[in-house]
Amino acid sequence: EAGVAQSPRYKIIEKRQSVAFWCNPISGHATLYWYQQILGQGPKLLIQFQNNGVVDDSQLPKDRFSAERLKGVDSTLKIQPAKLEDSAVYLCASSLTLAGVDEQFFGPGTRLTVL
Amino acid sequence: GQNIDQPTEMTATEGAIVQINCTYQTSGFNGLFWYQQHAGEAPTFLSYNVLDGLEEKGRFSSFLSRSKGYSYLLLKELQMKDSASYLCAVRRTGFQKLVFGTGTRLLVSP
Repeated sequence: EAGVAQSPRYKIIEKRQSVAFWCNPISGHATLYWYQQILGQGPKLLIQFQNNGVVDDSQLPKDRFSAERLKGVDSTLKIQPAKLEDSAVYLCASSLTLAGVDEQFFGPGTRLTVL
Repeated sequence: GQNIDQPTEMTATEGAIVQINCTYQTSGFNGLFWYQQHAGEAPTFLSYNVLDGLEEKGRFSSFLSRSKGYSYLLLKELQMKDSASYLCAVRRTGFQKLVFGTGTRLLVSP
């Protein structure tokens, strides 16, 4: 079974520039998550989709971050404009259902450096 | 809100046993997860507890006490490859999202 795919793996930009990340979840997984993981910290949920609808985006800085999952499969996360404090690893995860164990499978992440 | 506490760093010797503790404060508890994360890699699922007691899976076991807001991950017969960060995460009823602790970095030495 193919895992969660993300691209790019690394990105370096200057502050105030824009950047976009792409995620392809495991086939059949209805729920998709975007996390931000700053060095030395645990992942922090930015947004959660159930199919193509947003379930939780309470911690997404909506003035600069946006995300979409138009067809309920792939998703993109965008930052515009980027700030220095956005330097982090952006992890995408997916899970099969919202019930029970609902194990989340993580992608390899995109490491963003904002200069 | 939620508050999750774990030790920042632990060291142990190959072949030994180590216990990583996690305490949490939350309302509407709906499960506690442990994930392993090697440096530069994605977290991978280790265990899930929703009821009190011990869940054993090979060399790894996880314990939960809901009344105490406490969990631990027990790693037996440590191997060098167990050097990684171990993340405790809590899920609340009605909110399927996970809230992660900062993680415990475990260093296993020969």
